[in-house]
Amino acid sequence: GAGVSQTPSNKVTEKGKYVELRCDPISGHTALYWYRQSLGQGPEFLIYFQGTGAADDSGLPNDRFFAVRPEGSVSTLKIQRTERGDSAVYLCASSLGQGAREQYFGPGTRLTVT
Amino acid sequence: LAKTTQPISMDSYEGQEVNITCSHNNIATNDYITWYQQFPSQGPRFIIQGYKTKVTNEVASLFIPADRKSSTLSLPRVSLSDTAVYYCLVGWADRGSTLGRLYFGRGTQLTVWP
Repeated sequence: GAGVSQTPSNKVTEKGKYVELRCDPISGHTALYWYRQSLGQGPEFLIYFQGTGAADDSGLPNDRFFAVRPEGSVSTLKIQRTERGDSAVYLCASSLGQGAREQYFGPGTRLTVT
Repeated sequence: LAKTTQPISMDSYEGQEVNITCSHNNIATNDYITWYQQFPSQGPRFIIQGYKTKVTNEVASLFIPADRKSSTLSLPRVSLSDTAVYYCLVGWADRGSTLGRLYFGRGTQLTVWP
């Protein structure tokens, strides 16, 4: 079956611009997660949705980062006024429910801020 | 979430058994131990999860001593395609848990040589 998909696969933007990253979870998965991974580091948690609501957004680094999941499936991570330090791979994962056994990850979006 | 400590890198040869040990001294009563594998340019992939004693699946075994302060991932007869980063995670994984976030750490880079 189809796995988690993320678009775009690569995004290059200029400092100060606004970007949106999209995640399509596995159909039927109610839980969705965003992580950020810098080179040589493990993924770092950003935000977790259960259905349409953000159950835990404590990992968002500041108020320039925002994520939505209006219909409980597709999610969009939005970054305003991008900074060079935002450059990383942004990973999305989904699971059957909160605290489920496995999280299924997408291939990620590589964001480069110049 | 309990943090983990694991070796930064390990080397092995094809056909050998590889054991990666992870320490998690502050593991809580409700915490499960989970291992993920990550190849370059891909998202992490679930390998195995356990709570105590030994768990085995088609790709790996997980050994957990009685005090649960450490765990060992065992990969039998590794091949070149097992070259990847392996992450040990500790956290809640019960259905009904309110915590979905995973803490990855830096992982162990396993390199398998011919």
